Amino acid sequence: AQSVTQLDSQVPVFEEAPVELRCNYSSSVSVYLFWYVQYPNQGLQLLLKYLSGSTLVKGINGFEAEFNKSQTSFHLRKPSVHISDTAEYFCAVSGGTSYDKVIFGPGTSLSVIP
Amino acid sequence: DGGITQSPKYLFRKEGQNVTLSCEQNLNHDAMYWYRQDPGQGLRLIYYSQIVNDFQKGDIAEGYSVSREKKESFPLTVTSAQKNPTAFYLCASSGQGAPRTEAFFGQGTRLTVV
Repeated sequence: AQSVTQLDSQVPVFEEAPVELRCNYSSSVSVYLFWYVQYPNQGLQLLLKYLSGSTLVKGINGFEAEFNKSQTSFHLRKPSVHISDTAEYFCAVSGGTSYDKVIFGPGTSLSVIP
Repeated sequence: DGGITQSPKYLFRKEGQNVTLSCEQNLNHDAMYWYRQDPGQGLRLIYYSQIVNDFQKGDIAEGYSVSREKKESFPLTVTSAQKNPTAFYLCASSGQGAPRTEAFFGQGTRLTVV
């Protein structure tokens, strides 16, 4: 079955520092990849998605992610974080054996330190 | 504005009672999903539905039931058979096409058993 791994459960980072949240997926066929953000007691909001084309995907709030097929990775990056970026971030995948649903990783809690 | 509405936002249930969580969408999406979220465990799929009058079990369907009588509505019933129902429940929907290109989320219902 399709699966998503987020290697870091918690990432603390100082304000205005860069951050990378790591995501790896398991699939030998083409998939779609997503990053979502969740603020406390709210639903999930799409940050960005990779469907095809350029491997560097730009999203909202200054985030970007790079699709690496050979490493089956889709890491999320931001060059300078703000306090307001403190939230839970989820990597997700659809396709392969999960063509009819979206499978989520366990999440990474990003804490921005002033 | 199009979107997904979950109600209520907070719900309290006594042990042994069934309770139904509402999910309505006006995005004209075919597919709808229910996820359960527990701290540190990400989102786990309970049930999903591709079309009206059809639905499939996800990874943790035991103790839950759903119906899909209308395209816009996908209510989830948490039955007394669910051993540990206290959690945050998220409803989502996505449009036609496979793989799924994106899931749109409601704001969630926090269920507490008292």
